[in-house]
Amino acid sequence: DTGVSQNPRHKITKRGQNVTFRCDPISEHNRLYWYRQTLGQGPEFLTYFQNEAQLEKSRLLSDRFSAERPKGSFSTLEIQRTEQGDSAMYLCASSLLGVSEQFFGPGTRLTVL
Amino acid sequence: AQSVTQPDIHITVSEGASLELRCNYSYGATPYLFWYVQSPGQGLQLLLKYFSGDTLVQGIKGFEAEFKRSQSSFNLRKPSVHWSDAAEYFCAGSRDTASKLTFGTGTRLQVTL
Repeated sequence: DTGVSQNPRHKITKRGQNVTFRCDPISEHNRLYWYRQTLGQGPEFLTYFQNEAQLEKSRLLSDRFSAERPKGSFSTLEIQRTEQGDSAMYLCASSLLGVSEQFFGPGTRLTVL
Repeated sequence: AQSVTQPDIHITVSEGASLELRCNYSYGATPYLFWYVQSPGQGLQLLLKYFSGDTLVQGIKGFEAEFKRSQSSFNLRKPSVHWSDAAEYFCAGSRDTASKLTFGTGTRLQVTL
């Protein structure tokens, strides 16, 4: 399968714990995006990378959130000191430079107890 | 601010009937527009996209959408719905090929047999 993959698919954690999600984009895709989707809503943009550079961050991305793409390939999204309001589906997408079409992974569903 | 609006939260149609899902956008210039479908437990799949040119665009699974600048709309249509089309449908827009997607809140389609 050469699509976007995300791990883990599900994560249950207790409030206050740290969690990290991984996204592997389609190979040779330069751009990588993170979105968050809560129940009954459309995905909301969090941040995006072009190669290893983080070019834009949403104001939704509080200082408890950090994202990296160290070698311009896979990316990680870490949430520190999780809160119940962080419970959501975290989606990753990738695209090729100059092409607007974004390909989405299956998402990581986070539940904070 | 850029926005995408889907006025219908939930639509029910009979199998074999025609379908139209509404989408309105608010952008300074003509945006790039997309329709995605999301089935339970699945990631977002791109149905079709509009950048410029012919205002009637064809997509996968027999879907089409028409861009109407005068109405700021990009409605999704299908002449005959199949039970397998039951899913959540999202309209999205972006300013250019690099920008984040701004999603509507989605329309849940239910198909009755």
